[in-house]
Amino acid sequence: EAQVTQNPRYLITVTGKKLTVTCSQNMNHEYMSWYRQDPGLGLRQIYYSMNVEVTDKGDVPEGYKVSRKEKRNFPLILESPSPNQTSLYFCASSLTGTVSYNEQFFGPGTRLTVL
Amino acid sequence: QKEVEQNSGPLSVPEGAIASLNCTYSDRGSQSFFWYRQYSGKSPELIMFIYSNGDKEDGRFTAQLNKASQYVSLLIRDSQPSDSATYLCALRMDSSYKLIFGSGTRLLVRP
Repeated sequence: EAQVTQNPRYLITVTGKKLTVTCSQNMNHEYMSWYRQDPGLGLRQIYYSMNVEVTDKGDVPEGYKVSRKEKRNFPLILESPSPNQTSLYFCASSLTGTVSYNEQFFGPGTRLTVL
Repeated sequence: QKEVEQNSGPLSVPEGAIASLNCTYSDRGSQSFFWYRQYSGKSPELIMFIYSNGDKEDGRFTAQLNKASQYVSLLIRDSQPSDSATYLCALRMDSSYKLIFGSGTRLLVRP
């Protein structure tokens, strides 16, 4: 089944404890992206990747890191999480980023709470 | 001004009615427009995309784009309670790789 998977789905952690949220897709997509979703603010892009070893900042990259060592995986790293990073996180992928109407497929989401 | 504006709702319609969801945008360079549906606690799923002025129909859904007036709308005919969800409008400019999302309109379809 074609899908985007994220782990963990739910995470409660404490301020300053490094964490990684994994994202994997099995559709051979070049483009992958991370979003956070907060009430009243919609989906905001954190980082994106056009292909292996090619990543760039989105609108809200502060406090996050990413890497793209393999085409299928795009982990999101919070080196020192803070309470303002409490949010619902989505990973998404599409065949390419440059074709305007390519559909983005979203993972199931990771609900993160930082105490 | 936000790049993509949507009324947060909720928009409440009776079952069987037409639901009309609207979205305005500020950048005339915007080229492609998307409507995503998101059920509570779930991930967004694409309903339709449109990139030419006019109407595009798919089953009970019709997307309308007016680039001169900078709005895009989604009509849902014969609304069903299962259509109750938040509808996200998004746009992409050809010069950019990212989707820019509105904050969504919550639709409630009353049985």
